[in-house]
Amino acid sequence: SAVISQKPSRDICQRGTSLTIQCQVDSQVTMMFWYRQQPGQSLTLIATANQGSEATYESGFVIDKFPISRPNLTFSTLTVSNMSPEDSSIYLCSVEWREGHYNEQFFGPGTRLTVL
Amino acid sequence: AQSVTQLDSHVSVSEGTPVLLRCNYSSSYSPSLFWYVQHPNKGLQLLLKYTSAATLVKGINGFEAEFKKSETSFHLTKPSAHMSDAAEYFCVVSDGDSGYSTLTFGKGTMLLVSP
Repeated sequence: SAVISQKPSRDICQRGTSLTIQCQVDSQVTMMFWYRQQPGQSLTLIATANQGSEATYESGFVIDKFPISRPNLTFSTLTVSNMSPEDSSIYLCSVEWREGHYNEQFFGPGTRLTVL
Repeated sequence: AQSVTQLDSHVSVSEGTPVLLRCNYSSSYSPSLFWYVQHPNKGLQLLLKYTSAATLVKGINGFEAEFKKSETSFHLTKPSAHMSDAAEYFCVVSDGDSGYSTLTFGKGTMLLVSP
């Protein structure tokens, strides 16, 4: 299994600023994912981050708004740039854990972002 | 393309009565299906998963789900609800077509348990 931590756990930010969210895993993993959960909504995949390559963004999400770093196999960051109140959400990272034929995605506790 | 429909946004039960949370899916490939639970201010936890083995899948905390291909359903059940089951439940489908598991989440069902 994999244990995931995120920093910060929550933040309140001003419009127009940027926030970088950190995701740390206790094991080396190839694939990491970033999700957004808007208030009262389900999870939506923002991007997939494979170590050593550019992140792959889902439709509706762009690198300029959500730049991602993946410097090694246990760490990733997501930056929410030029924030507006519409960016108020919970941001979660997850990892795909593979062991033989078994695979599962584990999720971090999330970062609750409020933009004023 | 894959999608998930959770038929109820809220389900209310009394403690000790059965729980049924409904989920229908659409997938172009042989899907993997999951149920995740999210307690208030807590992270997501995997309840159970189906990956083309037995169609009746048993998970944690007494939950189980049955994969019915003919009905494209993967409903979650529990014989007797407990107060601690109150949470939001997400049905999730993955096709793994891209070489890794791309998860598509349903909109969630909030389970309310009354004494």
